[in-house]
Amino acid sequence: AQRVTQPEKLLSVFKGAPVELKCNYSYSGSPELFWYVQYSRQRLQLLLRHISRESIKGFTADLNKGETSFHLKKPFAQEEDSAMYYCALEGFQKLVFGTGTRLLVSP
Amino acid sequence: GAVVSQHPSWVICKSGTSVKIECRSLDFQATTMFWYRQFPKQSLMLMATSNEGSKATYEQGVEKDKFLINHASLTLSTLTVTSAHPEDSSFYICSARPGVYEQYFGPGTRLTVT
Repeated sequence: AQRVTQPEKLLSVFKGAPVELKCNYSYSGSPELFWYVQYSRQRLQLLLRHISRESIKGFTADLNKGETSFHLKKPFAQEEDSAMYYCALEGFQKLVFGTGTRLLVSP
Repeated sequence: GAVVSQHPSWVICKSGTSVKIECRSLDFQATTMFWYRQFPKQSLMLMATSNEGSKATYEQGVEKDKFLINHASLTLSTLTVTSAHPEDSSFYICSARPGVYEQYFGPGTRLTVT
């Protein structure tokens, strides 16, 4: 079975501070991992996926198979980054989500 | 591009009645659509995978006779909650897949059963 764990329900930082949202996964095969973001009153949208190895809105995430982690990082948080972030794993043709971490960036 | 709509956005129904929720991909064709349920302040839980022209695949614990899914075309999937009860009150979200990995999500439908 596939499982995604996001240990932090809430992460509160000040503007300009570095951010790391943690994600660990459990999956027997080769995982496809994603980060989704949900801004207030908006729908869920894809932030980034590990296979593309791209940086979106300053966020990056590296897949560490040894530690089974896919942490999301940004060096300097902005107020507009405040949102709900979900880590997700694609396996067996379905997407499984973690419980989400709310990021709150204060001025 | 890649917009998914849901209708209605909010519905209130009485206990024992049925309610239908539509999910449409507006500018792409989706052979696969997914239905999720989200409880307040919780994550999305996959209910079922809907493939055009075939029966939906339900996740363990999801009653297929209660949550009827129909994927009649490449742009439309419907979820019907039959004989709704207050415990069915939730936020229902659909997503549509145009390719191998991408999924685009609808805005969700809030169901309240009184």
